[in-house]
Amino acid sequence: ELKVEQNPLFLSMQEGKNYTIYCNYSTTSDRLYWYRQDPGKSLESLFVLLSNGAVKQEGRLMASLDTKARLSTLHITAAVHDLSATYFCAVDALLTGGGNKLTFGTGTQLKVEL
Amino acid sequence: DAGVIQSPRHEVTEMGQEVTLRCKPISGHNSLFWYRQTMMRGLELLIYFNNNVPIDDSGMPEDRFSAKMPNASFSTLKIQPSEPRDSAVYFCASSEWQHSNQPQHFGDGTRLSIL
Repeated sequence: ELKVEQNPLFLSMQEGKNYTIYCNYSTTSDRLYWYRQDPGKSLESLFVLLSNGAVKQEGRLMASLDTKARLSTLHITAAVHDLSATYFCAVDALLTGGGNKLTFGTGTQLKVEL
Repeated sequence: DAGVIQSPRHEVTEMGQEVTLRCKPISGHNSLFWYRQTMMRGLELLIYFNNNVPIDDSGMPEDRFSAKMPNASFSTLKIQPSEPRDSAVYFCASSEWQHSNQPQHFGDGTRLSIL
């Protein structure tokens, strides 16, 4: 059974600081997704990482994937209050019946203090 | 371009009642997923469909839960009878099966409270 672990679970940081969220998974996969969820809202896709060494950047967020280490990171640069949300990684497992099935991590609740 | 549409947004009902949640996937998407989100268990995949056919329902918690997808543009998740422990946010998501490098797109969810 695929397991996906994120750490930290909670992160409180000051504006302007940098930090990294880690996502570890237990079986081979070369597709990993990052989502953002605001309180009471839906999940919004941030990044799709499709191969070993993939790096994607959008604004103050940068995601990377190391399939050999089964590790993805979400790096936050110079955090701003608007980044406060819960961030999920999700790992893709291709199924014999076709299609893909995502297993989500526990989420990292990020709070950026003004 | 309309996203995944779920209804109702909120549902409050008494234990024992039947609950039906509805989902309209994004046009052209042929994979549809039902998730449940709770504080205790996080995001759990309940069931998913490819081309209207249920592929994996191993996440459906009990026989009280059932899901159907009668056509490419509509799916339902039904709970009968409902219990207080079914209280959660239920999300529907869709994606293009043939392009699994695309993310799943989530609806706004149905917040279900069983009293």
